[in-house]
Amino acid sequence: TQLLEQSPQFLSIQEGENLTVYCNSSSVFSSLQWYRQEPGEGPVLLVTVVTGGEVKKLKRLTFQFGDARKDSSLHITAAQPGDTGLYLCAGAPGNKLVFGAGTILRVKS
Amino acid sequence: DTEVTQTPKHLVMGMTNKKSLKCEQHMGHRAMYWYKQKAKKPPELMFVYSYEKLSINESVPSRFSPECPNSSLLNLHLHALQPEDSALYLCASSQDWGAQGYTFGSGTRLTVV
Repeated sequence: TQLLEQSPQFLSIQEGENLTVYCNSSSVFSSLQWYRQEPGEGPVLLVTVVTGGEVKKLKRLTFQFGDARKDSSLHITAAQPGDTGLYLCAGAPGNKLVFGAGTILRVKS
Repeated sequence: DTEVTQTPKHLVMGMTNKKSLKCEQHMGHRAMYWYKQKAKKPPELMFVYSYEKLSINESVPSRFSPECPNSSLLNLHLHALQPEDSALYLCASSQDWGAQGYTFGSGTRLTVV
């Protein structure tokens, strides 16, 4: 059983569409992080959410931390082919950073 | 310098070979990590070094041997690997162990033949 459950596992959409990726857990986290990874590269940190109910925006990406700090979502508006990649949520229970299974996003032009 | 540099980028080794993966950062981070990532899977933690001391070994087989010569360098020595050890090996660092936000290197793509 994964500590962090991500959904969907795979998403293939057309350029210009909106999408949301979910990261859920039964555990409370002091913070959650979102990373994006391209093939052959390491994950790149997009954002860290710390406060329950917090919303952070990064251009067309909107990140939300659930009020109970057990879940988070990533919403992308008007997706572009450059958004293609593996999106990973991560948390650090006991100071060990663990990842959700990831969402593979493919944006077609 | 805000990067974690890993060498080599690609490595092919036989099951009887000995090789080393190298990782370097000059951000003054005091925690460094090794992760293993199989295709289409998330990274899995292998080792944590905090202030150059091994803090976590996630029950990794002894054919993987980490070393932290100083606060900027992290090595992973490989010996007698198996084909199932083929994966992307990622190094990461953070300000302190438990700090939010890790910086990852680009990884070493290891193939064991």
